[in-house]
Amino acid sequence: EDKVVQSPLSLVVHEGDTVTLNCSYEVTNFRSLLWYKQEKKAPTFLFMLTSSGIEKKSGRLSSILDKKELSSILNITATQTGDSAIYLCAVSYGNTGKLIFGQGTTLQVKP
Amino acid sequence: NAGVTQTPKFRVLKTGQSMTLLCAQDMNHEYMYWYRQDPGMGLRLIHYSVGEGTTAKGEVPDGYNVSRLKKQNFLLGLESAAPSQTSVYFCASSYGNEQFFGPGTRLTVL
Repeated sequence: EDKVVQSPLSLVVHEGDTVTLNCSYEVTNFRSLLWYKQEKKAPTFLFMLTSSGIEKKSGRLSSILDKKELSSILNITATQTGDSAIYLCAVSYGNTGKLIFGQGTTLQVKP
Repeated sequence: NAGVTQTPKFRVLKTGQSMTLLCAQDMNHEYMYWYRQDPGMGLRLIHYSVGEGTTAKGEVPDGYNVSRLKKQNFLLGLESAAPSQTSVYFCASSYGNEQFFGPGTRLTVL
C-alpha cells in the first residue's frame, strides 16, 4: 500500500531556531515530492522535488530529496512566528497528477 | 484570475440530507481533484477527473459522487449525508504537477 509518513507530527520552537521536518514515502510510480504550507485555509505550494531537481531553496526554507532513502527533509532556518503552520508533504505518482499526502507536521513558533 | 474557488464556504446538514459542493477554476487545467481533510490525517483523495466528462475514484470515494460536465467545474455530491462526512473539503486543479487548492468548505453533519 502506498504511503507517506511525516515526522514529527508536531513541534514547538522559539523564534530564531532552526527546524527540520521529515517525510518518508513508499509509493509506486513515483514522479515527484511536493511540500505545502497550510495556515488557516488552503495549502500553498512551497517546493517540488524530482529526480532531476533534488534540492530546492527559497529564502530561509530549503528542501532535499533522497531517492535512495525514499525521503525528504524541509529545513527552516531563523524561524519566525509567521512560519507557524501545518507543513504537508505529498508524493505525486502515475500519470494523472494524483497526490498522496502525509499526516502533516504542525509547527508552532513562539516569540 | 480567481484561481480555484469553492462554494459554499460553510454548511451544516442533518443526517440523510443531500448537497452539492461546487468547485470552479479559471486556469484551464485538465485535472481536478476533491479531497477531505480530517485532524491528524492530512488530505485524502475522494474523486478526481483528468478531463471534461471523465471522473475516477480516489482513496475514499464511498458516499460521494462527482461530475465534470464542463472543464472549469467539478461538482462533489453527497446523496445522504452521514456524521462521518463531517470534514473540511478541498478542491484542487492541476496541469499535471503542482496542484492549486481552493479555500475549502467546512461541512458539519449533525
